[in-house]
Amino acid sequence: DTGVSQDPRHKITKRGQNVTFRCDPISEHNRLYWYRQTLGQGPEFLTYFQNEAQLEKSRLLSDRFSAERPKGSFSTLEIQRTEQGDSAMYLCASSLPPRLSGGAGTGELFFGEGSRLTVL
Amino acid sequence: AQSVAQPEDQVNVAEGNPLTVKCTYSVSGNPYLFWYVQYPNRGLQFLLKYITGDNLVKGSYGFEAEFNKSQTSFHLKKPSALVSDSALYFCAVRPSYNTDKLIFGTGTRLQVFP
Repeated sequence: DTGVSQDPRHKITKRGQNVTFRCDPISEHNRLYWYRQTLGQGPEFLTYFQNEAQLEKSRLLSDRFSAERPKGSFSTLEIQRTEQGDSAMYLCASSLPPRLSGGAGTGELFFGEGSRLTVL
Repeated sequence: AQSVAQPEDQVNVAEGNPLTVKCTYSVSGNPYLFWYVQYPNRGLQFLLKYITGDNLVKGSYGFEAEFNKSQTSFHLKKPSALVSDSALYFCAVRPSYNTDKLIFGTGTRLQVFP
């Protein structure tokens, strides 16, 4: 399978613990995105990278959240001192830059199946 | 505020009938609009997008969407629904040229009955 892969698929943790999620994008995609989705809601933007550079970060993102993409390939999303409100599905997506995806505007995003976090 | 609204939590339609899933948006400037679909236990999949040009956009699986600037709408349509179209559909908008993030609606569950 050459799609976006995320690991782990499900993580259960106790409040106050740290968790880390990994995302492996489609190999030729240089843009990588993190979204969060809670039940009954649409995905909410967290951050995105172009290669190893983090270009944008949501103002709603707590300082407990940090994302990296050190070599411009896979990315990690770490949540420190987890809270019950962090329970959600964390989605990763990747895309080609717009100039390689048909020209105008944003290219289509390819999503992974997500990493579900449950904080007890 | 920049936002997307999907006014229907669920849409029910009989197989073979036309379907419409509604979406309205609120952004300043020219919007870039998208539809994604989420099947059970699967990741979100891109269906179609509107960037510029023809107001009627055709996408995957026979779906199309009509951009209406005056009504700030981007409704998803299909002439003849299939049971396999049953899924969760999300409308999304790129709020400005200077960002690559998408703002998603809350989703509409489409149920197609045989």
